[in-house]
Amino acid sequence: DVKVTQSSRYLVKRTGEKVFLECVQDMDHENMFWYRQDPGLGLRLIYFSYDVKMKEKGDIPEGYSVSREKKERFSLILESASTNQTSMYLCASSFLSRGGQETQYFGPGTRLLVL
Amino acid sequence: GEDVEQSLFLSVREGDSSVINCTYTDSSSTYLYWYKQEPGAGLQLLTYIFSNMDMKQDQRLTVLLNKKDKHLSLRIADTQTGDSAIYFCAEALAGGATNKLIFGTGTLLAVQP
Repeated sequence: DVKVTQSSRYLVKRTGEKVFLECVQDMDHENMFWYRQDPGLGLRLIYFSYDVKMKEKGDIPEGYSVSREKKERFSLILESASTNQTSMYLCASSFLSRGGQETQYFGPGTRLLVL
Repeated sequence: GEDVEQSLFLSVREGDSSVINCTYTDSSSTYLYWYKQEPGAGLQLLTYIFSNMDMKQDQRLTVLLNKKDKHLSLRIADTQTGDSAIYFCAEALAGGATNKLIFGTGTLLAVQP
């Protein structure tokens, strides 16, 4: 079974703090993703990575950065947290099969509250 | 443009069938997915369908794809209270090293006992 774990289920931070969200997958997947989920907006892609040290912006990268130093770990960084970054953050990993099928496997999510 | 739409809520009685609908705009999608999210949890893959298929059945789940109308549906037979969750459809757009998944806003399925 694929396992994607996220370091925290709940986090409370103050405006201006630097926040690290960690994600680890145990299936040797090349691709990893960070989404945020907000009511009425579904999932929106923040950043993704298709290899170690490689990263690509998603649809809403502003205010975020990422780090992928090892294949199994993908970190999301909020350099200076703001209240509009209060959200549920979901990490996923996947690999692209030769037939073009790619299933993303999700972690349990981190609920971040920025006060 | 890329857009995936779903209705926000669906309420059914236990034992009835549920049908959750989804429309998408990008005709170049390769695969379409249904995910389930239970309260406080991440997304769990339920099933997927290749864009060249019309139908896929997996136990109580039936996926129908009308590519001409860009309409996807998920039918859950004999719906149980444990099926109460948010259901997301997603279309995969091919692109380089990874596909891009475009998610709908999710449909909250409430199953009344």
